[in-house]
Amino acid sequence: GAVVSQHPSRVICKSGTSVKIECRSLDFQATTMFWYRQFPKQSLMLMATSNEGSKATYEQGVEKDKFLINHASLTLSTLTVTSAHPEDSSFYICSARVAGNYNEQFFGPGTRLTVL
Amino acid sequence: AQKITQTQPGMFVQEKEAVTLDCTYDTSDQSYGLFWYKQPSSGEMIFLIYQGSYDEQNATEGRYSLNFQKARKSTNLVISASQLGDSAMYFCAMREANTGNQFYFGTGTSLTVIP
Repeated sequence: GAVVSQHPSRVICKSGTSVKIECRSLDFQATTMFWYRQFPKQSLMLMATSNEGSKATYEQGVEKDKFLINHASLTLSTLTVTSAHPEDSSFYICSARVAGNYNEQFFGPGTRLTVL
Repeated sequence: AQKITQTQPGMFVQEKEAVTLDCTYDTSDQSYGLFWYKQPSSGEMIFLIYQGSYDEQNATEGRYSLNFQKARKSTNLVISASQLGDSAMYFCAMREANTGNQFYFGTGTSLTVIP
């Protein structure tokens, strides 16, 4: 199956700093990538949908200036958590989809962010 | 309203027995897809099985099968011959065509297989 990687897998940062998380599709071109957030023992909540070459579409309640998403190429999307605070600590998961194939969404392994 | 409802926060099953995880969904769309994912403690989401809204046969994939009841809007996952490695969180998800094909996830069921 298709492989999606995320980097870093874990990150610990101080409050007020910015953190960038990369999501890469390794063996396919992903026209659409999704970013999810998952709190402990809870479900995945969609944060935003990013299409290559265009602005991301954010879900209601997600601050676009706080969570910057850049989908600059067909294999890379980045999520930058700006001025991180302890409440931003969470598990962030990306997924990628091939154009026109709505039934296959390939997930990355996730990034655990801890803000001190 | 919740698009996906999983009413079993935790389930236990004896090794080698079968277990059914419940999932109901809410949609007015005629075209949609239903998915089950497994999330072990490491965190990655592992795709298990898919059922399309127009599929008349219940989907099967190895030890996984779906009991798809369209009129009841339910898609229960059956895991046969449970193994210790099946212990994980299980998420039901739906894709709707009329909401941009994004995925909606349920709250998950934690399955523990007892030796």
